[in-house]
Amino acid sequence: DQQVKQNSPSLSVQEGRISILNCDYTNSMFDYFLWYKKYPAEGPTFLISISSIKDKNEDGRFTVFLNKSAKHLSLHIVPSQPGDSAVYFCAASESNYQLIWGAGTKLIIKP
Amino acid sequence: DGGITQSPKYLFRKEGQNVTLSCEQNLNHDAMYWYRQDPGQGLRLIYYSQIVNDFQKGDIAEGYSVSREKKESFPLTVTSAQKNPTAFYLCASSIEGFYNEQFFGPGTRLTVL
Repeated sequence: DQQVKQNSPSLSVQEGRISILNCDYTNSMFDYFLWYKKYPAEGPTFLISISSIKDKNEDGRFTVFLNKSAKHLSLHIVPSQPGDSAVYFCAASESNYQLIWGAGTKLIIKP
Repeated sequence: DGGITQSPKYLFRKEGQNVTLSCEQNLNHDAMYWYRQDPGQGLRLIYYSQIVNDFQKGDIAEGYSVSREKKESFPLTVTSAQKNPTAFYLCASSIEGFYNEQFFGPGTRLTVL
């Protein structure tokens, strides 16, 4: 049973437009969420996080939104750049215990 | 440069053999982790260690073993008991606690022939 789901395996966006990556979860006890970015043949790198006491966190071009009632979070990238092409993973934790990871969404930025 | 290294990048092993994957970090992090990634799936936790000489099983520890004799090192042994060992293995480290950013190595791709 997947507790963290990224239902879109891939997403294609025009350079300069907004990229929206989605993540759904089933465990209402998750209280911390993180997004990681992964290039081929490299390990993931941390992007942005959000605590369940917030509904939005922003860092430059990256904003994460959390909707606890819908058990949904999203990552917005604006404007999208070619270097943003990568696989994006969302992950969740309950009470600072192990991260549960989604399967990832491959983002392709078209020039 | 501070970072986390894994070796080798590619590893081939015959069925029935044990193999050890190396993971070293010079970030002075207390916590270290081993994940496995299979195609179309998220990362799954094999083992983690929050402090030297202590480690805990993750969700898929069966067929694996670890040691944490030094803060900098967290080797993973894939034993012959692991039924499906072919996968991409990632090591990570962090300041103590899962809320903190984890820094990942480049990974080791293990193929069992």
